[in-house]
Amino acid sequence: DVKVTQSSRYLVKRTGEKVFLECVQDMDHENMFWYRQDPGLGLRLIYFSYDVKMKEKGDIPEGYSVSREKKERFSLILESASTNQTSMYLCASSLGLAGAYEQFFGPGTRLTVL
Amino acid sequence: AQKVTQAQTEISVVEKEDVTLDCVYETRDTTYYLFWYKQPPSGELVFLIRRNSFDEQNEISGRYSWNFQKSTSSFNFTITASQVVDSAVYFCALSEAGNSGYSTLTFGKGTMLLVSP
Repeated sequence: DVKVTQSSRYLVKRTGEKVFLECVQDMDHENMFWYRQDPGLGLRLIYFSYDVKMKEKGDIPEGYSVSREKKERFSLILESASTNQTSMYLCASSLGLAGAYEQFFGPGTRLTVL
Repeated sequence: AQKVTQAQTEISVVEKEDVTLDCVYETRDTTYYLFWYKQPPSGELVFLIRRNSFDEQNEISGRYSWNFQKSTSSFNFTITASQVVDSAVYFCALSEAGNSGYSTLTFGKGTMLLVSP
């Protein structure tokens, strides 16, 4: 079974802090994704990566950056956390990008920025 | 731009009732893929089904069935004889197989299903 793990289930940070959210997958998938989930808005794509060191902006990249130094690990970085970044963050991975492959999701990190 | 609409925000049923979750999509492409995911209270999204735009055959998997109709741009999901364990948020999603290869998923806002005993 595909396993996607995220470093924390719950995280509380203060405004202005630099925040790292880590995601690891164990199925050698090429592609990894970061979403945020907010009530009434569904899932929105922040960034995705189709290969090591490669990244593409999603629909809402502002205020975020990502890093993919190894194939199995995809990090989401909040350079200076703000209260409007309080949200559930979901990481996913898939074998391919062209829509024909399902994405496998991690359990999510609920981030609160005070 | 692609778009997915799940008009039902929340549905409440009593156990053993049948329930249908609606999904309407918009796309300009002739090649695309549709998905349903389930998000139980634990939070992790679980893949349920994938359909490509060339396959309009309905699918049944146990108590779950899916009705794909290109004529109405809909991909509805029916749970027969619902159970309490079906309580979850269900997401419909659309992906277009773009020429660049960088297609991504567009999710609907989700439908919360509450099944009471």
